[in-house]
Amino acid sequence: GESVGLHLPTLSVQEGDNSIINCAYSNSASDYFIWYKQESGKGPQFIIDIRSNMDKRQGQRVTVLLNKTVKHLSLQIAATQPGDSAVYFCAESSVGDYKLSFGAGTTVTVRA
Amino acid sequence: DAGITQSPRHKVTETGTPVTLRCHQTENHRYMYWYRQDPGHGLRLIHYSYGVKDTDKGEVSDGYSVSRSKTEDFLLTLESATSSQTSVYFCAISDDRGAYEQYFGPGTRLTVT
Repeated sequence: GESVGLHLPTLSVQEGDNSIINCAYSNSASDYFIWYKQESGKGPQFIIDIRSNMDKRQGQRVTVLLNKTVKHLSLQIAATQPGDSAVYFCAESSVGDYKLSFGAGTTVTVRA
Repeated sequence: DAGITQSPRHKVTETGTPVTLRCHQTENHRYMYWYRQDPGHGLRLIHYSYGVKDTDKGEVSDGYSVSRSKTEDFLLTLESATSSQTSVYFCAISDDRGAYEQYFGPGTRLTVT
């Protein structure tokens, strides 16, 4: 079936460097792509979303890029901090569909 | 996790026993969801609700049932718990803007022995 997934299960980043987390999706009919952050022992937390008619969206220290040609989504975190250590999930949804499909997640570890 | 509570937070039960997990919200959001999270599988949708008494199945609904008699409460029942249902269960809510911005509860860690 169609699903959203991530390229790498783990990512180690030096504090202060930029992080790039990648996600490949297969459902070309999806309208929304979303990134969630899950800290240890907590529920996932919404970070940022992007609609399918956009290719870039920026938030506070984060940028999401969408390449519909190759069905690729990425999350860039600028100046990575220890508090960014978490599992990051991409997810997808469609207008009128009140469900999300999640990828397996990438664990980001920030090295001091 | 503001506005969403789950109870219990931890539970150990025996195979074959029924178990009910509760999700309570104070946000008056229309949509509520139950997910399970297992290593290597991310979050998988069990059931969801789009209003009082209105529920539907997710991708892993076998062995689970739900009920929503009030806007603020969404119950997940494992009819006869099995070891394969050992997992962390998350409740989430969203409003009419869409499913993409869901707010998650703190989770319930369930162990079936």
